[in-house]
Amino acid sequence: RKEVEQDPGPFNVPEGATVAFNCTYSNSASQSFFWYRQDCRKEPKLLMSVYSSGNEDGRFTAQLNRASQYISLLIRDSKLSDSATYLCVVKGGSYIPTFGRGTSLIVHP
Amino acid sequence: SQTIHQWPATLVQPVGSPLSLECTVEGTSNPNLYWYRQAAGRGLQLLFYSVGIGQISSEVPQNLSASRPQDRQFILSSKKLLLSDSGFYLCASPQGENYGYTFGSGTRLTVV
Repeated sequence: RKEVEQDPGPFNVPEGATVAFNCTYSNSASQSFFWYRQDCRKEPKLLMSVYSSGNEDGRFTAQLNRASQYISLLIRDSKLSDSATYLCVVKGGSYIPTFGRGTSLIVHP
Repeated sequence: SQTIHQWPATLVQPVGSPLSLECTVEGTSNPNLYWYRQAAGRGLQLLFYSVGIGQISSEVPQNLSASRPQDRQFILSSKKLLLSDSGFYLCASPQGENYGYTFGSGTRLTVV
């Protein structure tokens, strides 16, 4: 089993839709969780950290489910500019973060 | 906050030629530093990480090497490039426990 798994998609949704991505991780000792956004041919950029109690930033909501070992990202009222690849990142007690392969989102008019 | 500089942005090199990519960090001291490679349409593959000057850990066997001659400098090298070395090379460093990782803008390497 891979350490961090994501559905590669693509998720093809119309503007205004709500879309959710999940990311599962295998290391139960993982401590820190993040969602990144990567635009085509650009570097990944931090979208948001994921906290145990869940957190929201505008149209974006992140959740952590430690029992089932997954994190989720919910995007409400999708915009064309949300089209990108979304990477989940999991970090345990070591120095090394583990990146998922990313989920591609395409928002169309 | 820290800033990571990478250069060059784009590089086209012939098979068998040497490679040197540089990453420098501003705004922090003694950072952990990472080199990742992303092949076209693929995820990020960790190549090397460093927790301090002269300390390099390699994650995958390959014809690449890394060095950390200074606290805020991380260099990725190869003596002879292969076609399979083509990809998007990214340098990264943690911002803090709950602030994720900052990436440089990357170097897109094409080996021809």
